[in-house]
This record gives sequence, structure tokens and C-alpha cells, in this order.
Amino acid sequence: GQNIDQPTEMTATEGAIVQINCTYQTSGFNGLFWYQQHAGEAPTFLSYNVLDGLEEKGRFSSFLSRSKGYSYLLLKELQMKDSASYLCAVTTDSWGKFQFGAGTQVVVTP
Amino acid sequence: EADIYQTPRYLVIGTGKKITLECSQTMGHDKMYWYQQDPGMELHLIHYSYGVNSTEKGDLSSESTVSRIRTEHFPLTLESARPSHTSQYLCASSGTQGAGETQYFGPGTRLLVL
Repeated sequence: GQNIDQPTEMTATEGAIVQINCTYQTSGFNGLFWYQQHAGEAPTFLSYNVLDGLEEKGRFSSFLSRSKGYSYLLLKELQMKDSASYLCAVTTDSWGKFQFGAGTQVVVTP
Repeated sequence: EADIYQTPRYLVIGTGKKITLECSQTMGHDKMYWYQQDPGMELHLIHYSYGVNSTEKGDLSSESTVSRIRTEHFPLTLESARPSHTSQYLCASSGTQGAGETQYFGPGTRLLVL
């Protein structure tokens, strides 16, 4: 079966760094996506990893280790607007169908 | 910015009514998806389509049906709404470059069945 695990909730203060881990056990792997979802809104794309290593995009970075079935999303210089749920999604077939994790709720405090 | 639209945004309806949730995209994407998401819970894929006249059921069993007669349009229908159908329904689309294509989401439809 497919299994994608993320912590349920993380709390950090404004200006700090937070690392959200995602581990996956899936029958196939064709890439890993991170999405941000504010309460009551649709998910928006943050990053995509298919090869091992770090992808940096402004304040957000994402890392992938395929051999360990592990990824993390790093949020730097946290801002209040970063309070949201962060979803890890794995594509398991060549068509790009996603398997989503349950999401990690990040709470940024002043 | 993604151009994918859903109507209605909110719907309150009585049990037994037939409803259709609309989803349209103007990006020419071949692949379209319907997800169901309860508040604070994960997204569950209920239907997907890889092109016109192609529809498949997703990982979560759903009493809804879909059709794909035009590339840009992927409506979801519930023949007889029940309170258990109360949820948020999110439509998404992606292009044709295989597994690395980002899925773009519409704003969602919040459905409440009384």
C-alpha cells in the first residue's frame, strides 16, 4: 500500500526556521511535491523534487533522499502569513497521479 | 497563475437533490482531477481523467460520477445528495509532461447537505 507520513503540527516563532519532514513508502516513485494550503483555500504549489538533493526557492527549500524515502521542506525567516498546512505529495505512476500526506499544520507565533 | 475555476463556491442543498459541481480550466491541460477534503483532513482523490472521454475512479470510493466531453470541462455529479456528502470538493488539472507536472487547484466548492 501507499504510506506518506508527516508530523501533524509544528509551532515556531516569527523569524525562525522550521523543517517539515515527510517519509514515504509507495509502490512507485516519480517525484515529490510540496504544497501550501491556507485554511479554507486550495493548495498552491511550492516545490518539486525528483532527484536527490536540495532545491532552493527563496525562503523555501526542499530536500529529497530517494534511498531513504525521505524529504523535508525548510521554511526560513518565518512570517505570520506562513501559518498554513503543508502537504507532501508523491507521484507513484508515470501519469502523475498524486498520493497526498495528511499535511502538517504550521503555526507561526509573534 | 493557474486558470482553473469552480462553481458554485458554496452550496447548501437538501437531501435527495441532484447536484452538479462545475470545473473548467483554460490551460489546455489534458489531465483533470477531483479531490474530496474534510476540514483539517487529507485530500482524497475521487475521480480523474487523462483526456476527453477518459474517466477513472480514484482511491476513495465515491457515489459521484464525472464526465469529460470537452478538454476544458470536468463536471462532477451527485444524483441524490446525502448529509454524508458534506465536504469540500477540489478540482485540479495538470499538463502532459508526465509525472513531473504540477497539479493546479481550483478554489473549491464547499457543499453542505441538510
